[in-house]
This record gives sequence, structure tokens and C-alpha cells, in this order.
Amino acid sequence: IAGITQAPTSQILAAGRRMTLRCTQDMRHNAMYWYRQDLGLGLRLIHYSNTAGTTGKGEVPDGYSVSRANTDDFPLTLASAVPSQTSVYFCASSNRDRGLDTQYFGPGTRLTVL
Amino acid sequence: GDSVTQMEGPVTLSEEAFLTINCTYTATGYPSLFWYVQYPGEGLQLLLKATKADDKGSNKGFEATYRKETTSFHLEKGSVQVSDSAVYFCAHGTDKLIFGTGTRLQVFP
Repeated sequence: IAGITQAPTSQILAAGRRMTLRCTQDMRHNAMYWYRQDLGLGLRLIHYSNTAGTTGKGEVPDGYSVSRANTDDFPLTLASAVPSQTSVYFCASSNRDRGLDTQYFGPGTRLTVL
Repeated sequence: GDSVTQMEGPVTLSEEAFLTINCTYTATGYPSLFWYVQYPGEGLQLLLKATKADDKGSNKGFEATYRKETTSFHLEKGSVQVSDSAVYFCAHGTDKLIFGTGTRLQVFP
């Protein structure tokens, strides 16, 4: 069982380029999340999805979009990357059948925008 | 708004020392409380949790008690090991998780 996988592991990107970070889980969790981790700021929620076909905005959604076409995949897209989006991005999933429950995190994607 | 406040690090200890990492929160309603740990180069993983007042979460020698009257969820361990060196995140939520900024723990032999 892999849990949650993210790709790529790291990426250096020129400003203005489009980038999609991939996230796949094999735990059949209904909810998935994207966070960014920045030094001194902890983790901040970008977007989330409580179930396939639905998405919602988190604390810092601007400049990012997501889709949830099926249960397993939750890609995060930066339409036109800017240097302030340099960060480590974590995908997570959880089972929301009983409300807020433990979130399981992927290994992260380190993104540098130049 | 809802928030989590953790003590700033780094916390530097010798092996076998007692550990406390303070965490307080502000929230509407009755959130669940969590401690997550992040080892170098890895994602976060759940360390322990508590879902209602006076519950004690425990795992790997770590403990934290849900104190509703002081809105706190302090993490403790009686004897730390070098392998406990990591960043520890306190979090709470009723619908979505809100994380603290993290506290780095460094344990030296």
C-alpha cells in the first residue's frame, strides 16, 4: 500500500510557466487537501475536496486551481507561476465519514519559481 | 478567527530530558486536537489526537491532554531520544485543520 504519492519530488520553474503538481491516494479516502508549507508560517490550506466532483477554497487559494475527477487523484495547477509560490507543497487525504479525522500526508513537492 | 499558537523553537535538549511543547488554541465549537510530527525530508504524520475535553492522546511515549478550560493541548514526553528530533505541529479543527507554525526539537546525545 503506497498511501499518498506526489510528483514531482522537486521542480525549478520559470515565472509565468504553468505547472501541475500531481497527487494520488490509494486509501479510498473521500477527502483530499493541498497545503503549502513556508518557514515560520506552518501549513496553510490552499484547496480541498470533500468528495469526488467537489472542491473548495482554503486559506490561500489565489493563483491555484484544483480538480477532483475521481476519488484517487487531486492535481494542483499553477496557471502562471510567480516567485511567491516558491514553497513545499503537501497533499493529504482523510476519511470524512465521521467528521474531521486524521489526515495522511504525502512526501511533498519542493517547488522553486525563479 | 480560529488559530493555534505554539512555542517558538528550536527546543534543544539532551537525551533522556523531559520535553514540553506548549500549544494553545482559539476556536468556535468543540474542535478535535492533534499533534503531527515531521521528520527531516518527509511529510507530516499523526503523532496523537484527542477528540473531546479531558481526553488524553498518547503514542510512542508522547502524551497530550485536551484542556478545554485553558484551551491547551501541551505535548509532553518523559525521556526524549535522539530519534525524536523533528518538527512538531499542533493542529485543531471541526471541519478543516488549522495548524500552528511548528516547533523544531533537537535532541543531542
